[in-house]
Amino acid sequence: QQQVKQSPQSLIVQKGGISIINCAYENTAFDYFPWYQQFPGKGPALLIAIRPDVSEKKEGRFTISFNKSAKQFSLHIMDSQPGDSATYFCAASGGSNYKLTFGKGTLLTVNP
Amino acid sequence: ETGVTQTPRHLVMGMTNKKSLKCEQHLGHNAMYWYKQSAKKPLELMFVYSLEERVENNSVPSRFSPECPNSSHLFLHLHTLQPEDSALYLCASSQDRATNQPQHFGDGTRLSIL
Repeated sequence: QQQVKQSPQSLIVQKGGISIINCAYENTAFDYFPWYQQFPGKGPALLIAIRPDVSEKKEGRFTISFNKSAKQFSLHIMDSQPGDSATYFCAASGGSNYKLTFGKGTLLTVNP
Repeated sequence: ETGVTQTPRHLVMGMTNKKSLKCEQHLGHNAMYWYKQSAKKPLELMFVYSLEERVENNSVPSRFSPECPNSSHLFLHLHTLQPEDSALYLCASSQDRATNQPQHFGDGTRLSIL
């Protein structure tokens, strides 16, 4: 019940395209859903986060869509750029559990 | 200096060596974490410290021994490691342990066990 399932494992997108990464969870107590971006040789960095009281949050080219009934959330990267090439992790926490449960990550490659 | 700093960045050690990983945060946070990152696996939480007190030990083998002498520093002492312990070890900090507090990560120590 603590799992967060992330897909796809890898994604190749052309420059200017839309990148979409999906995550699903089972624990209905989760109420905080961050996305982290990790470049090679670097630690993960918080990209954007959402709470379940809204269905969408947008920051620049990055948007989280949240579907509470389906227990799914996704990251959309609009106008994808080669500099967006990185590994993206979704995560969740909530209820009495402050610990973050991470997905396995998606390696995004944006071709020029 | 800002953020979370980890040293060394790379470490190669034999199975009988003793070494330590160091983490320092300059964010004034009260909670610090050790994670293990292996290829194609989710980040694994190892230890959590809150106000210098260990509040979580995620069934980590005793060959890993954490130490938190103050709220800015966190160490991971390593002894008699196994080849499967080769991984990227990440330190993180957050303001406190509330669920909506973002965790700030260091760049990790890449550990290789010979």
